[in-house]
Amino acid sequence: RKEVEQDPGPFNVPEGATVAFNCTYSNSASQSFFWYRQDCRKEPKLLMSVYSSGNEDGRFTAQLNRASQYISLLIRDSKLSDSATYLCVVILYSSASKIIFGSGTRLSIRP
Amino acid sequence: EAGVAQSPRYKIIEKRQSVAFWCNPISGHATLYWYQQILGQGPKLLIQFQNNGVVDDSQLPKDRFSAERLKGVDSTLKIQPAKLEDSAVYLCASSLVRTGVDEKLFFGSGTQLSVL
Repeated sequence: RKEVEQDPGPFNVPEGATVAFNCTYSNSASQSFFWYRQDCRKEPKLLMSVYSSGNEDGRFTAQLNRASQYISLLIRDSKLSDSATYLCVVILYSSASKIIFGSGTRLSIRP
Repeated sequence: EAGVAQSPRYKIIEKRQSVAFWCNPISGHATLYWYQQILGQGPKLLIQFQNNGVVDDSQLPKDRFSAERLKGVDSTLKIQPAKLEDSAVYLCASSLVRTGVDEKLFFGSGTQLSVL
């Protein structure tokens, strides 16, 4: 089983729709969680951190479910510019931090 | 604030040749990472430096890959000899400090390597 798993998609949704995708992680000792966004042929960029209480940034909402070991990203009122690959990142801390990326979920917003 | 600088942007070589990539992290960032990203996959960590010391190189194919960060600032990653399966984007990232809580990564534009 992969340490971090994501549905690769692609998710193809119309502009204005709400879309959500999940990411599951296998190690219950995981301590920090993030969503990164990667545009085609570009580098990943931090989208948002994910906290246990859930957090919102404009049209984006991230949730963490420690009991079921998954995080989610919800995008409301999607825009054409939201088309990208969304990477789930999990960090484990012990003697050194271990940063693990998921394979990414491709999202395509159509007019 | 200047971002993470990487060069070259693209590199095409034949198998068994050597190649080197360079990275200059954001000023003041103690931690530097090299990732390999194969098309359709997420970034895979090759090596992580804290200042000029290696923190994690468990996934670095040491028979052909090497990396250094001698003065704790910029870094080079070398492949010698290259194989076809090394074709990928090589991403350098840096973070301010390993606080153990919010370790946010800032990536360079990457070097796209094609091995023919």
